[in-house]
Amino acid sequence: NAGVTQTPKFRILKIGQSMTLQCTQDMNHNYMYWYRQDPGMGLKLIYYSVGAGITDKGEVPNGYNVSRSTTEDFPLRLELAAPSQTSVYFCASGSGTGYEQYFGPGTRLTVT
Amino acid sequence: GQQLNQSPQSMFIQEGEDVSMNCTSSSIFNTWLWYKQDPGEGPVLLIALYKAGELTSNGRLTAQFGITRKDSFLNISASIPSDVGIYFCAGRDQGAQKLVFGQGTRLTINP
Repeated sequence: NAGVTQTPKFRILKIGQSMTLQCTQDMNHNYMYWYRQDPGMGLKLIYYSVGAGITDKGEVPNGYNVSRSTTEDFPLRLELAAPSQTSVYFCASGSGTGYEQYFGPGTRLTVT
Repeated sequence: GQQLNQSPQSMFIQEGEDVSMNCTSSSIFNTWLWYKQDPGEGPVLLIALYKAGELTSNGRLTAQFGITRKDSFLNISASIPSDVGIYFCAGRDQGAQKLVFGQGTRLTINP
């Protein structure tokens, strides 16, 4: 099992550009999550999904959108990138039974 | 919203020392999880706790689910250089589908 994979690993965007961060898991987990981690800080939940076709907002959803068309994939979309979105983004998945979450390696995004 | 207070924020210790860190919440939790994050990597799950009073070990790591259900502790015995990193606690209250994370404890070890 590859677990949770994220692409790209690094990206630099100009203000106003858009991009999609990809996340795929091969563990057949129903639950998937997107977090952002600012330097020296903990994890803040952006969006989450409890199954295909179901998404919900987390703590900091503004400026982001998600979709969940399959169990495996949970892409995160930034429509109009802003410097405040410079951060490291982590995707995670879990079975939902024990609420344990397993994280991907992260995408480091810089908006200038 | 819910908040987790994790302490200490940072620790500087000598190799071979034991380490203790804790996490407290403002509300009762049904699940406590402890993660470790190495530089440039995603958090890795160390220990999961599901019952008040539960004490669980993973090698040199031991974690406990506090009796009040509002706190959890992580101990590392006989620290080694590869223990360096940031340790996060995370909790979930009854009915919630998501975790709340602490701010992390940064562990530095002097050889």
